[in-house]
Amino acid sequence: EAQVTQNPRYLITVTGKKLTVTCSQNMNHEYMSWYRQDPGLGLRQIYYSMNVEVTDKGDVPEGYKVSRKEKRNFPLILESPSPNQTSLYFCASSLLQGHGYTFGSGTRLTVV
Amino acid sequence: EDQVTQSPEALRLQEGESSSLNCSYTVSGLRGLFWYRQDPGKGPEFLFTLYSAGEEKEKERLKATLTKKESFLHITAPKPEDSATYLCAVQAGDAGKSTFGDGTTLTVKP
Repeated sequence: EAQVTQNPRYLITVTGKKLTVTCSQNMNHEYMSWYRQDPGLGLRQIYYSMNVEVTDKGDVPEGYKVSRKEKRNFPLILESPSPNQTSLYFCASSLLQGHGYTFGSGTRLTVV
Repeated sequence: EDQVTQSPEALRLQEGESSSLNCSYTVSGLRGLFWYRQDPGKGPEFLFTLYSAGEEKEKERLKATLTKKESFLHITAPKPEDSATYLCAVQAGDAGKSTFGDGTTLTVKP
């Protein structure tokens, strides 16, 4: 089944403890992206990647890192999480520029 | 800066009562306008891509249209299972950079 897989689905962590949210797609898509979704603020793009080793900042990149060493994987790294990073995170991929995204099921992160 | 505004924020319909959702956008160099459906607690599900003014796409009870300034998602004879939040997004300029609207939450009562 064609899909974007995120892990974990739920995560509660403490301020400052480094964490990684994994994202993998099995559709051989070129583009991958991370979004956060907050009530009243909608979906905001954190980082995106157009291909292996090519990444760029979205609208809210502060406090996040990404890497794209393989085409299928695009992990999101929070080096020192803070409570304002508590949010619902989505990974997404698309075949090419100008194509719609396939989204993962989401990761609900709580930083205390 | 790209901007996407959706209206109304919420829409309540009776089953069978047709209506339209609006997405107004301001971008430089539109590469595509996208409609998604999102159910509570789930990731958005892709519905349509529109590329140029005058284009229309249909899927079951949904029909999306595009002008130079806005897009409409027309829902014909909706059913309760059409209840969801509908998101509009644009991709412009830098490849891969997308801007989403805040969505319209549709509730269809039986």
